[in-house]
Amino acid sequence: GQNIDQPTEMTATEGAIVQINCTYQTSGFNGLFWYQQHAGEAPTFLSYNVLDGLEEKGRFSSFLSRSKGYSYLLLKELQMKDSASYLCAPMDSNYQLIWGAGTKLIIKP
Amino acid sequence: DGGITQSPKYLFRKEGQNVTLSCEQNLNHDAMYWYRQDPGQGLRLIYYSQIVNDFQKGDIAEGYSVSREKKESFPLTVTSAQKNPTAFYLCASSIDGAGGGYNEQFFGPGTRLTVL
Repeated sequence: GQNIDQPTEMTATEGAIVQINCTYQTSGFNGLFWYQQHAGEAPTFLSYNVLDGLEEKGRFSSFLSRSKGYSYLLLKELQMKDSASYLCAPMDSNYQLIWGAGTKLIIKP
Repeated sequence: DGGITQSPKYLFRKEGQNVTLSCEQNLNHDAMYWYRQDPGQGLRLIYYSQIVNDFQKGDIAEGYSVSREKKESFPLTVTSAQKNPTAFYLCASSIDGAGGGYNEQFFGPGTRLTVL
């Protein structure tokens, strides 16, 4: 079967760094997406990885290891507005996104 | 401005009534999707359409129906057969749902349906 595993909730301090991990098992693999979702709103795109390694985009970076079925999202210089859920979504062999339940990130001052 | 619109944002219905949620996009995307999101759970795929006049069931299609008569529109009907319809419904679109690698999905603002 297909499975996504992320921590349910994490807490971090404003200005700090946090790493959100995601492990996945899918039928085939065509890349992995990370989305951000604020409470009551739609998900918005953060990053896409299809090859192993780190992709950096401003304060956010995403890492992928296909052999380990593992990805992480790294958020630096945390701001209060980063309080949100972060959704890991690998794409399977049919190019369908398989969604994890998401990690709720709480930022404290 | 290009984007996806869903209306209404909040919808209340009595149990036993069918209700249709609208989704319109002006991004010229071929593929459109309907998801359901419940508290503490990931997005679950209800139906998707890769091209006009064609659509496929997702993981939880029972009690729902869709149509794709126009490229821009993909309405979802929640029928009285859906046992637990109260949820947050999200519509999304992507350039190409049939493959080709990078296929970012763009989301509408969502409709929160409450069945009383």
